[in-house]
Amino acid sequence: NAGVTQTPKFRVLKTGQSMTLLCAQDMNHEYMYWYRQDPGMGLRLIHYSVGEGTTAKGEVPDGYNVSRLKKQNFLLGLESAAPSQTSVYFCASSYRRNGELFFGEGSRLTVL
Amino acid sequence: AQKITQTQPGMFVQEKEAVTLDCTYDTSDPSYGLFWYKQPSSGEMIFLIYQGSYDQQNATEGRYSLNFQKARKSANLVISASQLGDSAMYFCAMREPPSGNTGKLIFGQGTTLQVKP
Repeated sequence: NAGVTQTPKFRVLKTGQSMTLLCAQDMNHEYMYWYRQDPGMGLRLIHYSVGEGTTAKGEVPDGYNVSRLKKQNFLLGLESAAPSQTSVYFCASSYRRNGELFFGEGSRLTVL
Repeated sequence: AQKITQTQPGMFVQEKEAVTLDCTYDTSDPSYGLFWYKQPSSGEMIFLIYQGSYDQQNATEGRYSLNFQKARKSANLVISASQLGDSAMYFCAMREPPSGNTGKLIFGQGTTLQVKP
């Protein structure tokens, strides 16, 4: 049982490049989330989805876009990467709106 | 707006002793949920324990218990009989009220716990 899988695990980008982080869950969860983790700031919500075909902005959405075309996948895109987007990104999912979140292993992104 | 505060950036505890990690929250909604997660040095986020605002008793899960003081708006995590494997960062989180229907969690800044042998 894979749970929540994030790809890639590590990536180095140059300023201005674009990339997509993929999150896949095999638990048939409705709710999915993208967080970023920075030292001293905990986890901050970027975007989230409450079901297939839906997305919404979180606390720090600027510079990111998301899509949820299939229930099991939640994609996070950076159209023009900036050094401020250097961070560890976590995807999470939940079966119901008051259940615990299940997290992926994280993706470490460095923007030079 | 909801807010979670963890005031202890780092803590030390002797192996086999108990330790309390502080968490305070701020919300005006009577219905909410509180969570604790553990993040070891390997980086994954591990769910530890949950407390609902209407739960009459403090939540417990093995060596973890949640000291829930509603009037003080605190939800401290107590780890009994600390083990070396408890060394990690610990995050307190609060779920947005049900009216939001989003299920999203708001996280505190985290507390790094080091267990000394």
